[in-house]
Amino acid sequence: AQKVTQAQTEISVVEKEDVTLDCVYETRDTTYYLFWYKQPPSGELVFLIRRNSFDEQNEISGRYSWNFQKSTSSFNFTITASQVVDSAVYFCALSYLAPSGTYKYIFGTGTRLKVLA
Amino acid sequence: EAGVTQFPSHSVIEKGQTVTLRCDPISGHDNLYWYRRVMGKEIKFLLHFVKESKQDESGMPNNRFLAERTGGTYSTLKVQPAELEDSGVYFCASSLLQNTEAFFGQGTRLTVV
Repeated sequence: AQKVTQAQTEISVVEKEDVTLDCVYETRDTTYYLFWYKQPPSGELVFLIRRNSFDEQNEISGRYSWNFQKSTSSFNFTITASQVVDSAVYFCALSYLAPSGTYKYIFGTGTRLKVLA
Repeated sequence: EAGVTQFPSHSVIEKGQTVTLRCDPISGHDNLYWYRRVMGKEIKFLLHFVKESKQDESGMPNNRFLAERTGGTYSTLKVQPAELEDSGVYFCASSLLQNTEAFFGQGTRLTVV
């Protein structure tokens, strides 16, 4: 069965601190995709990144970076020099091919990040 | 380019009533998905359309839920009759291809009282 675990329910940091959001996944599939989405107070899920299971190269985009390690089934997300605008709920998700032919998302329960000024 | 749009943003209805949620996907996206987040729990898959056809509706909770996508454009999700446990946030998403990123709408918060 597929599963995504985000053990951190809520994190509070002071502005300019670095913060890492953890994501651990479970799957027996060899081909799958991992995602991070941000949910600001307005409610929509904003796409941040997609990685496929064959690409373990870490990625950096501005203040955001992602560390994908298949050995530990983790896909952690780090925000460097956090800002108040980073305050949101962040979801990690796994996409896999179901027998129906549909790529389904399995979401974690989300981590609420509060960045204090 | 417009993103995925959902109407209404909020809906409060009484138990036993009917509610219809609407989703307008990104233009040109054949794949449309419905997901639901019940209070404090994970966001869970409901169903997937490819154009107007239901590819997978294994996540639909029961026959009180009916989804349609006439003409392969916008989609509706009807709940009839609504029950208290149907309360939650209903997200719609669309994608160009099945294994590419899905773009989500802002969700419809449904409260059944």
